Amino acid sequence: SQTIHQWPATLVQPVGSPLSLECTVEGTSNPNLYWYRQAAGRGLQLLFYSVGIGQISSEVPQNLSASRPQDRQFILSSKKLLLSDSGFYLCAWRPTDRGIPNSPLHFGNGTRLTVT
Amino acid sequence: KNQVEQSPQSLIILEGKNCTLQCNYTVSPFSNLRWYKQDTGRGPVSLTIMTFSENTKSNGRYTATLDADTKQSSLHITASQLSDSASYICVVVPFSGGYNKLIFGAGTRLAVHP
Repeated sequence: SQTIHQWPATLVQPVGSPLSLECTVEGTSNPNLYWYRQAAGRGLQLLFYSVGIGQISSEVPQNLSASRPQDRQFILSSKKLLLSDSGFYLCAWRPTDRGIPNSPLHFGNGTRLTVT
Repeated sequence: KNQVEQSPQSLIILEGKNCTLQCNYTVSPFSNLRWYKQDTGRGPVSLTIMTFSENTKSNGRYTATLDADTKQSSLHITASQLSDSASYICVVVPFSGGYNKLIFGAGTRLAVHP
């Protein structure tokens, strides 16, 4: 069965410090991978998605970047955190579009980031 | 602008009672509509997926309905349990852009009290 791991679960970082959140998927190959941010009282906002190694699409301009160094590894980074980067970050995967149609997104358990 | 609006924002019910959550959307055309359950501090988990041609889909005590004419969906929870306490999120997959353009509602926070 497929599983998704996201870490750390919580993180407190000072303003101006770097960030690295990691997400890995097991039990599948060539998944589509996603990074979302969830703000209180608002819907999930797509930050980045990737359809393959080294292929990253950015949805919103921001202080963050993403990388996919391996097929099942997705990393969210920042060189210098801002207070506004605080939030709940979720990684998700789904099979490629040539896979199961209408398949759901499978989410990790998120990282609660607090920038102080 | 494509939007997904959910109501109520929050809801408190007693254990064993039924409830219905609403989702209104303006996304058109769309490929499918999904309901997710999100426990506090966890990632969302898929409950139901309905294509634009389906009217209803059940998953245990959860039943989702879809009216594409009025652009409304509802999630009905039967015989609620304490473990149903969570946020319920309505998601619409637009026909154009597909899964990289999902539109999420802000969710309904449900609290089930004993």
